[in-house]
Amino acid sequence: NAGVTQTPKFQVLKTGQSMTLQCAQDMNHEYMSWYRQDPGMGLRLIHYSVGAGITDQGEVPNGYNVSRSTTEDFPLRLLSAAPSQTSVYFCASSYRTTGREKLFFGSGTQLSVL
Amino acid sequence: AQSVTQPDIHITVSEGASLELRCNYSYGATPYLFWYVQSPGQGLQLLLKYFSGDTLVQGIKGFEAEFKRSQSSFNLRKPSVHWSDAAEYFCAVGAGQAGTALIFGKGTTLSVSS
Repeated sequence: NAGVTQTPKFQVLKTGQSMTLQCAQDMNHEYMSWYRQDPGMGLRLIHYSVGAGITDQGEVPNGYNVSRSTTEDFPLRLLSAAPSQTSVYFCASSYRTTGREKLFFGSGTQLSVL
Repeated sequence: AQSVTQPDIHITVSEGASLELRCNYSYGATPYLFWYVQSPGQGLQLLLKYFSGDTLVQGIKGFEAEFKRSQSSFNLRKPSVHWSDAAEYFCAVGAGQAGTALIFGKGTTLSVSS
């Protein structure tokens, strides 16, 4: 049981480059979300999805795009990377059932934008 | 909009002493509340959660938290701190549809002195 898998673990980009952070889960979770973690800022919600074909914005969505074509995958796209997007990115997933909500976090992607 | 405030950025506690980490939230309805812990270089681990019912919630590693609606608070407590408890602690409130994605506080770093 792999849980939540994020790739890559580390990435260095130049300003203006584009890339996609991958997130996949094998637990048939309905809900998936992306967070970024910056020192002194805690984790901030970027985008989330409650099911295939449905996404919504979180606290800090600017500069990021998402889509959810399958239940398993929730990629995060940076169309034109900026130094302000240097951060550690966490993907998370959970079941929809009320009362048993628990987020399963991936191990994170450390992104540096030069 | 939902928000979470952790007033203490850094706390130092002597080993064996009691601990209380403060958390205040802003939410229009009955909140879904969580406490997570993150050790250096690690992902997040759920300590405990509150959805409804008993306002005193027991978690893992000997932690507990009390939900006080009148004070909009969800403080984390432990009667006797161990050196291994040194970590960063995050309070979070459920956001979005059915409280799935989370809004995190900025975190409190706990140091344990011998």
